[in-house]
Amino acid sequence: NAGVTQTPKFQVLKTGQSMTLQCAQDMNHNSMYWYRQDPGMGLRLIYYSASEGTTDKGEVPNGYNVSRLNKREFSLRLESAAPSQTSVYFCASSETFRTGRTDTQYFGPGTRLTVL
Amino acid sequence: GQSLEQPSEVTAVEGAIVQINCTYQTSGFYGLSWYQQHDGGAPTFLSYNALDGLEETGRFSSFLSRSDSYGYLLLQELQMKDSASYFCAARTGRRALTFGSGTRLQVQP
Repeated sequence: NAGVTQTPKFQVLKTGQSMTLQCAQDMNHNSMYWYRQDPGMGLRLIYYSASEGTTDKGEVPNGYNVSRLNKREFSLRLESAAPSQTSVYFCASSETFRTGRTDTQYFGPGTRLTVL
Repeated sequence: GQSLEQPSEVTAVEGAIVQINCTYQTSGFYGLSWYQQHDGGAPTFLSYNALDGLEETGRFSSFLSRSDSYGYLLLQELQMKDSASYFCAARTGRRALTFGSGTRLQVQP
């Protein structure tokens, strides 16, 4: 099992360019997430998907769009990149949260994005 | 809003015990998780407390007091490989996992 995979690992964009970050998981999880992590900070939720075909905004959704293509794949798109979007982006997946059960998120290796 | 407070940095020596505290202020609370992240790596899950009390997993233990909105991660028999950042995260809803800013642990020989 590969777990959660992300592509690309590194990317440099110029202001105004667009790109899509890809994420896939092979653990048959319903829930998938996109986070960003800025230096010295925790992770902030960008978007969340509870199941195929559904997405919800997180704490910092502005400037991003997402697609839950199928149960395995959840992509993040930057339509017009800005320097403020320079960050490390992590995709994660988990079983559907239920009270009384453990709450474990599995993270991909991250994409290090620089916007010039 | 949701906020979690944890110390920014902790230093300890090999073989020692260290405790990383986390206090939270959230609207809605289901449980507290802990994640470890090495430099350049991805966060990895350590533990989850939904109920008050202590959960033990090998050298790591985690504690939660819901009445005090407080939890901690206890690392025993510290090893050099434990040098990493540790994040607490509060589950506040079906989709919402709010992370603290992280505690950087430096283990010295």
